[in-house]
Amino acid sequence: EDKVVQSPLSLVVHEGDTVTLNCSYEVTNFRSLLWYKQEKKAPTFLFMLTSSGIEKKSGRLSSILDKKELFSILNITATQTGDSAVYLCAVPFNFRGTSYGKLTFGQGTILTVHP
Amino acid sequence: NAGVMQNPRHLVRRRGQEARLRCSPMKGHSHVYWYRQLPEEGLKFMVYLQKENIIDESGMPKERFSAEFPKEGPSILRIQQVVRGDSAAYFCASSPELNEKLFFGSGTQLSVL
Repeated sequence: EDKVVQSPLSLVVHEGDTVTLNCSYEVTNFRSLLWYKQEKKAPTFLFMLTSSGIEKKSGRLSSILDKKELFSILNITATQTGDSAVYLCAVPFNFRGTSYGKLTFGQGTILTVHP
Repeated sequence: NAGVMQNPRHLVRRRGQEARLRCSPMKGHSHVYWYRQLPEEGLKFMVYLQKENIIDESGMPKERFSAEFPKEGPSILRIQQVVRGDSAAYFCASSPELNEKLFFGSGTQLSVL
C-alpha cells in the first residue's frame, strides 16, 4: 500500500520567514508527486514533480524531488499571512504504467503565518 | 470557466436518512473523482468515474455508498442510511484526461445527527 508522510504536522512562523515542508513517500512504481494548498476547503494545485533534482518554482514557492531518497520538499520564502493554509503532498496510484487521479495524500502540514 | 461545483456546501442528516451529494466537473472534464476527508485525517480516495462508467471504486465502503456519473447531469455520491461515522467533508475533483492532476471542488460538509 502506498504511503505518504508529511512533516512537520504544524508550523507557526512570522511574516517574512522562510519555511520548508517535507514529504516522504513509499510507493509501488513511482510516477509523480503532487503538492496542493488547502485554504478553507478546496485544495488547489501547486506543483507536479516527476524528475529528481529539477526545481519547480512559482513566485515565492518552490519544490524539488529526490527519487533516490524518496522525498520532496516545498519551500516558501518571505512568507505572508495569505500563505496560511494546509499543504498537502500526494502520489498517484500507478497501474501498469498509467497514473490517474487515485491519489494517496499525506496528512498535511498546517502552516500559520502571523503578521 | 467555472471550476468544479459541488452542492450543497453543507448537508445535515439524521441517522438513517439518505444523503445525496452533487458534483459538476469543470467544462470539458469527463473524469470525476470523489474523496472523503474525515476529521483529523487526510483526503482518502473513494471512487473514479468516467461518463456513465465506474472505473475504480476500490475506496468505496462496500455497503450504503454508491456513485454515478450519468451522460447528462452532475455526478452523484449517494449515502443510504447514514450513520454518525459518515460525517465528513466530501470532495469532488475532475480532470480533462486520464492523468493525476486534479481540480477540486469546495466540498460538501456532511453532518449526521
